Amino acid sequence: GAGVSQTPSNKVTEKGKYVELRCDPISGHTALYWYRQSLGQGPEFLIYFQGTGAADDSGLPNDRFFAVRPEGSVSTLKIQRTERGDSAVYLCASSLDPGGPPYNEQFFGPGTRLTVL
Amino acid sequence: AQKVTQAQTEISVVEKEDVTLDCVYETRDTTYYLFWYKQPPSGELVFLIRRNSFDEQNEISGRYSWNFQKSTSSFNFTITASQVVDSAVYFCALSEAQGNNRLAFGKGNQVVVIP
Repeated sequence: GAGVSQTPSNKVTEKGKYVELRCDPISGHTALYWYRQSLGQGPEFLIYFQGTGAADDSGLPNDRFFAVRPEGSVSTLKIQRTERGDSAVYLCASSLDPGGPPYNEQFFGPGTRLTVL
Repeated sequence: AQKVTQAQTEISVVEKEDVTLDCVYETRDTTYYLFWYKQPPSGELVFLIRRNSFDEQNEISGRYSWNFQKSTSSFNFTITASQVVDSAVYFCALSEAQGNNRLAFGKGNQVVVIP
């Protein structure tokens, strides 16, 4: 597709369960970012990939959160032992590379709305 | 550390009025980029404008214009002759060249354009 896609669009789970959220970046984009947006707030950075490696995971809230990008394209955000506080919209963005403009413009996907009951 | 402050929360304007959104930022990096994004009710973030720290020239793009002032660390955004389709949440964001270009967002401004 032309843009960043994310699946599922909505995910409802129970406290304590494991979830995976998928992001398909724009083809050819080497940089991939995950953000989390709580209700009424701006998105908050979680993790950044350059190629296959997590170059910056300083935004992950705790060790229940993990993300991979094994082939440098699709990325999966994994949340273990979900808690009600994890409920939010999880946004993925990609850019051509992390360098200067215009290549650092981030294109966002529609997000996955996660609800933990 | 990056920080972006958008003090206004909700702004209501009557159609065709201008609306200005304030943004104040903090950064220790000398090279950084400032952005405005729009988030309509559908939820997807839409890129509007970008400004580089080394270019303070203010510009107009269609009905959008911005005022970047490094001396006051402000990056204000104006929508001229607002339309109902402009109703959305607007986010100011900052990325640092030394920070892998991760974006730090403000809390957003909810703009409501009343027909």
